[in-house]
Amino acid sequence: GQGVEQPDNLMSVEGTFARVNCTYSTSGFNGLSWYQQREGHAPVFLSYVVLDGLKDSGHFSTFLSRSNGYSYLLLTELQIKDSASYLCAVFMPNYNVLYFGSGTKLTVEP
Amino acid sequence: DAGVTQTPRHEVAEKGQTIILKCEPVSGHNDLFWYRQTKIQGLELLSYFRSKSLMEDGGAFKDRFKAEMLNSSFSTLKIQPTEPKDSAVYLCASSHPGLGGRAEQFFGPGTRLTVL
Repeated sequence: GQGVEQPDNLMSVEGTFARVNCTYSTSGFNGLSWYQQREGHAPVFLSYVVLDGLKDSGHFSTFLSRSNGYSYLLLTELQIKDSASYLCAVFMPNYNVLYFGSGTKLTVEP
Repeated sequence: DAGVTQTPRHEVAEKGQTIILKCEPVSGHNDLFWYRQTKIQGLELLSYFRSKSLMEDGGAFKDRFKAEMLNSSFSTLKIQPTEPKDSAVYLCASSHPGLGGRAEQFFGPGTRLTVL
């Protein structure tokens, strides 16, 4: 919704990496959040980015390019348990609310 | 610290019924959000309260959906009358005040609503 787009599915292999992309074209931008949601569970906050560039947080890193309306979540040294949906959400300044993308379902195979 | 709690966890309703979903935010959180989640639409914002005041009423959802927050530790979402297309998971979330704080929302386990 609100111009936040994510691919539906992504597959990768245990021990490698996965990059979950997010593009946005919203009227206003204060920052972008990433959430992980396992099947049948509520979303869990992972990261919030405001500044351009790569924010390295170990297993999860995030990249933001404000001029291009683009972000990605990078998962390294993948484990089977990383299989989940990953949601990006743009933080809008006018109403101080998050507008979520529909999420990318990541499947990590052995 | 208790997280966000929601009741009931599952609800089955007949078309035309009135249902009320309940949420208790994390203690001390000033912001409370109601979302609806479906596979097709993803997470859609229904309502947003800041310090018990309604800030966002979800536009298209105003007609049959009414969220209230009578005190800082309890909120309800009423759907009246229910329709089969309302079948979804309803999530409640809360967050701290402040710019960065509002970007980190704590979600409850959700209520799975099925309307027959």
